[in-house]
This record gives sequence, structure tokens and C-alpha cells, in this order.
Amino acid sequence: DSGVTQTPKHLITATGQRVTLRCSPRSGDLSVYWYQQSLDQGLQFLIQYYNGEERAKGNILERFSAQQFPDLHSELNLSSLELGDSALYFCASSSGTGDTQYFGPGTRLTVL
Amino acid sequence: AQSVTQPDIHITVSEGASLELRCNYSYGATPYLFWYVQSPGQGLQLLLKYFSGDTLVQGIKGFEAEFKRSQSSFNLRKPSVHWSDAAEYFCAVGALNYGGSQGNLIFGKGTKLSVKP
Repeated sequence: DSGVTQTPKHLITATGQRVTLRCSPRSGDLSVYWYQQSLDQGLQFLIQYYNGEERAKGNILERFSAQQFPDLHSELNLSSLELGDSALYFCASSSGTGDTQYFGPGTRLTVL
Repeated sequence: AQSVTQPDIHITVSEGASLELRCNYSYGATPYLFWYVQSPGQGLQLLLKYFSGDTLVQGIKGFEAEFKRSQSSFNLRKPSVHWSDAAEYFCAVGALNYGGSQGNLIFGKGTKLSVKP
């Protein structure tokens, strides 16, 4: 158990819908990262937050957004969902920006 | 742009045999390198990391990796594989400004390891 929790574990929804994925980092960690894992693209970095501020952006679509709240948990919002958004979404946390990242178990999103 | 290449998509080894998983990276400066393992239905677990210093690093579960700058490689090794090592293995490099303003990782496509009894 990494100490990073993600909810829900599975999510099935339809095209055009909007979903929110939630992540609670390890106690004391200030950085949260979101990654997407799909069969064709592999593991891709989406976005990083550090203590509530956005620090880095990867290949995140405009339909996707994220935020980190004062209690340090983070949410990833995915809107206008398409079939191609079906993937495993991981959250990771670290104490700073150059420390070991601990990954959560992931949320499997299926868009029908 | 930075990239990580894992040339082997799938490797099968016999239990008790040695293992080497290959990883090559593209990076301009001294890289921060990682190996993660993902078991089916699980998240990623860090096996080991290289930041600086001794180029041979030891990790958990009996794994080790050697950083070779001249070959831009960071291969993962284990002298004797156990059936429980069957999983997918990912090599990763820290992005530019890793440890500074940002800390995201760039992953290879992964190598799936199967273990024959």
C-alpha cells in the first residue's frame, strides 16, 4: 500500500459526459501528479500540482482540468468524454518536486 | 525531447534464471532514472532509482540497475527470477527541471515479464 488513495476504482460512463476522479496523497506530500495509461499511448504525464499551485503540464487535453485543494487532495475533471479517453488514470504524490513518486492504484475509466 | 526506449515488449524467462531488462534514454544532462513495476490491477511500485553517485544501484526484491552514460542505458537485472516477479516493468526518466520547478516522469512503453515454472 503506497498510501495514495484514488476513488473511484472503476468508472463507466457514456460519451459526452463529465466525470471527476479524486486523489488523496500520502500524508505530508505536497506534490500531486496525474498520469494516463492507455494501450496505444502508454503512461503519459498529464499535470502536476505542488501545494495548490500548478507546476507542470504534459499532454493534457483542454477538455481535462485538475486542481489541488487546501487539504492537498486533488481532483481530475474530464469533460465531453470520448471513446479514446478510456484509460487507467493514476495519481502519484511526492514530498517535493524531485522526490520519489508513490502511485495510487488507479481509476479505470471506460467510456461507452 | 526526452524519451525512454524499452526495446523488449515481452520477455519470458524460466524461474531461477537471470534477468536483464533493457532501457535507453535520451537526455541532455545527467538524468534522474527510475524503474517501476506494475502487477496486474495494481499501481506502480518503485524498484530503484538513480540520481547520482555509484552507477550500480540496488533496489527492492533483489533487483539492481546499472547506469551507463556512454550507452545512455539503465538496464535492470536480477540474478534469479521468482514466479512472483511476473509483471510489467517500466523505466522512467525525470523531466527537465526535475527537482526544481517540476518533477514529472517520462516513461518507456514497458516490458512485460512472464516466468516459466
